[in-house]
Amino acid sequence: GQQVMQIPQYQHVQEGEDFTTYCNSSTTLSNIQWYKQRPGGHPVFLIQLVKSGEVKKQKRLTFQFGEAKKNSSLHITATQTTDVGTYFCAGPQGSNYKLTFGKGTLLTVNP
Amino acid sequence: KAGVTQTPRYLIKTRGQQVTLSCSPISGHRSVSWYQQTPGQGLQFLFEYFSETQRNKGNFPGRFSGRQFSNSRSEMNVSTLELGDSALYLCASSLLGGEASGNTIYFGEGSWLTVV
Repeated sequence: GQQVMQIPQYQHVQEGEDFTTYCNSSTTLSNIQWYKQRPGGHPVFLIQLVKSGEVKKQKRLTFQFGEAKKNSSLHITATQTTDVGTYFCAGPQGSNYKLTFGKGTLLTVNP
Repeated sequence: KAGVTQTPRYLIKTRGQQVTLSCSPISGHRSVSWYQQTPGQGLQFLFEYFSETQRNKGNFPGRFSGRQFSNSRSEMNVSTLELGDSALYLCASSLLGGEASGNTIYFGEGSWLTVV
C-alpha cells in the first residue's frame, strides 16, 4: 500500500534558525495536507496543496508540492518557541477518503 | 462555531472489556473519520463515515467498529480490549471528507484510552 515517509523524525533548533521537514510518498498524490500537533494537543490543519509545483506561504511557513506530486516540504523561517510541535504531512490513499499520515517531525526550539 | 467534540476525554479500561467513544462533528459536516495515534505507529486511519455510510476502512481487526447517525454524530467501539489498544483516538470532521480540494479537516481533542 501507499507509504508516506517523513524526515527528519526529530529536529532541535535554536530560536531564530530555520527548519525544514520533508515528506515523500511512494505513489502520486492528488493532494497533500500538513498538520501541526502541539505537545498534548490534537492535530490542527495547516494547509492543503493540490497543484504540481505549488508553493504556498503562511507568514513564516512555506509549503511546497513537488512537480511529480510525490513529495512535499514545509519550511519555517526564523523559528520561534511557538513553533514547537510535531508537523505531519498526509496524503489521500485509494478511494481518497482515507488519509495516510507520515510519522511526523517533532520540532523543539531552544529559546 | 463549536469544534469537534469527543467524549469521554480520558478513560481506563481492563483487558477484555469493551469501550465506546463518541464524536460530534462540526455542525454541517457530514464526514467523520477516526484515527488511532500511538507513539510507535503514529496516526493510523481506522474508518471514515459519510451520511451514515462507511466509505473506507483501515487495517484494523474486526474488534474495531464504528457507525454514524443521521445527525452525523459518530461512535466507535472496541471490543475485547487488549493492552496494545491503549492510544489516543482522534475523530476528524469535514464537509466532504478526503481529497476534496479546499476541504479543511478538523480534529477533535481526542479520547485517551488506557487499557490495564
